[in-house]
Amino acid sequence: EVQLVESGGGLVQPGGSLRLSCAASGFTFSSYWMSWVRQAPGKGLEWVANIKQDGSEKYYVDSVKGRFTISRDNAKNSLYLQMNSLRAEDTAVYYCARASYGYRIDYWGQGTLVTVSS
Amino acid sequence: DIQMTQSPSSLSASVGDRVTITCQASQDISNYLNWYQQKPGKAPKLLIYDASNLETGVPSRFSGSGSGTDFTFTISSLQPEDIATYYCQQYDNLPPVLTFGGGTKVEIK
Repeated sequence: EVQLVESGGGLVQPGGSLRLSCAASGFTFSSYWMSWVRQAPGKGLEWVANIKQDGSEKYYVDSVKGRFTISRDNAKNSLYLQMNSLRAEDTAVYYCARASYGYRIDYWGQGTLVTVSS
Repeated sequence: DIQMTQSPSSLSASVGDRVTITCQASQDISNYLNWYQQKPGKAPKLLIYDASNLETGVPSRFSGSGSGTDFTFTISSLQPEDIATYYCQQYDNLPPVLTFGGGTKVEIK
């Protein structure tokens, strides 16, 4: 059974940093693109970033470029999202997701809430 | 960047009704279009991939069609458990980015 379990969310002040983690199991992690997708309270879904199987390619939505970094450790079956210079508009539930072929999000974690507020 | 226009933003229908949601891309995306269902407080779930392919385990009352710029998602006979918000999602490979539509909230009349 595919499982994606996020951790690391919480309350952070504007301008602060946070690192999200995602533990994957039930599939060959190193064979899949992985994604982060977020959802602000009461709003729709927004794709945040993608990373290729070997970490050689990374892509971001324009609003987080230069502030967020996606990474992975295939030996630990783990995905990460380093978030710096956080803003109030980054407040959201962040989902770790498996992206088959880089674009078909076929499995999602339960999400972790990030709140940016003073 | 490719923009996705999903409509309607909400709808109310009776059990057994046929429900249709549309998604329009601002430029040709071939069949790189997926549909998701999200129930309150839950993570989204993939229903349809590549415009018209039913994900394994998804009931056959769900279907998708279209290619190019215009896409349609249909529930052939609305059931109480289908109450959710539905999202389309497109993939643009130059550069590789994903974009979700604004969502359609489906309620029972």
